[in-house]
Amino acid sequence: DTGVSQDPRHKITKRGQNVTFRCDPISEHNRLYWYRQTLGQGPEFLTYFQNEAQLEKSRLLSDRFSAERPKGSFSTLEIQRTEQGDSAMYLCASSLGVGTNEKLFFGSGTQLSVL
Amino acid sequence: AQTVTQSQPEMSVQEAETVTLSCTYDTSESDYYLFWYKQPPSRQMILVIRQEAYKQQNATENRFSVNFQKAAKSFSLKISDSQLGDAAMYFCAYRSGSYGGSQGNLIFGKGTKLSVKP
Repeated sequence: DTGVSQDPRHKITKRGQNVTFRCDPISEHNRLYWYRQTLGQGPEFLTYFQNEAQLEKSRLLSDRFSAERPKGSFSTLEIQRTEQGDSAMYLCASSLGVGTNEKLFFGSGTQLSVL
Repeated sequence: AQTVTQSQPEMSVQEAETVTLSCTYDTSESDYYLFWYKQPPSRQMILVIRQEAYKQQNATENRFSVNFQKAAKSFSLKISDSQLGDAAMYFCAYRSGSYGGSQGNLIFGKGTKLSVKP
């Protein structure tokens, strides 16, 4: 069990550039979540997938953000035209999605700094 | 909308002693779940303990236990026999029990930073 893997661990970019993050969930997990955590705050839900279908998006996910999960395996989160306010840690989590006993396993996150 | 409040930004405990972290929440729902997550410097969120709102019995997991007061909307975490490895950020989280097909939409508090003194 390799756990949830996120890449890169750190990303520094200039304002206006596009960035893409990758998340590899635990292999048999059908649900995948993205959260954003800013300094001094708890994580905030962004979006989630069941297999390849994106089933919900938070209002936090502006039109500059897009997430995909092709073939229901790994997922990517892209931010276009980055802004300084996008600086945060982006966390990915996965689960088997077994109803009330659903347990989320988190990755170690991608820390984004927008200069 | 549901909210989660952690009023203690930082706490400190002596090794082997007991510490209690506070959490209050606000909701109009009757079916929900509460969680405590630990986030060490490695940044990976780890589930410490969970509580179903319909259960009156407080959850326990080894040295970790909760005091769930449903009427007061309070959900505190007690760590007994504190160890150096317990030092981390602790987040209280809420999840609706009637949230469509996904129950992973967690609402987190701002966290409490716990230090353990040797």
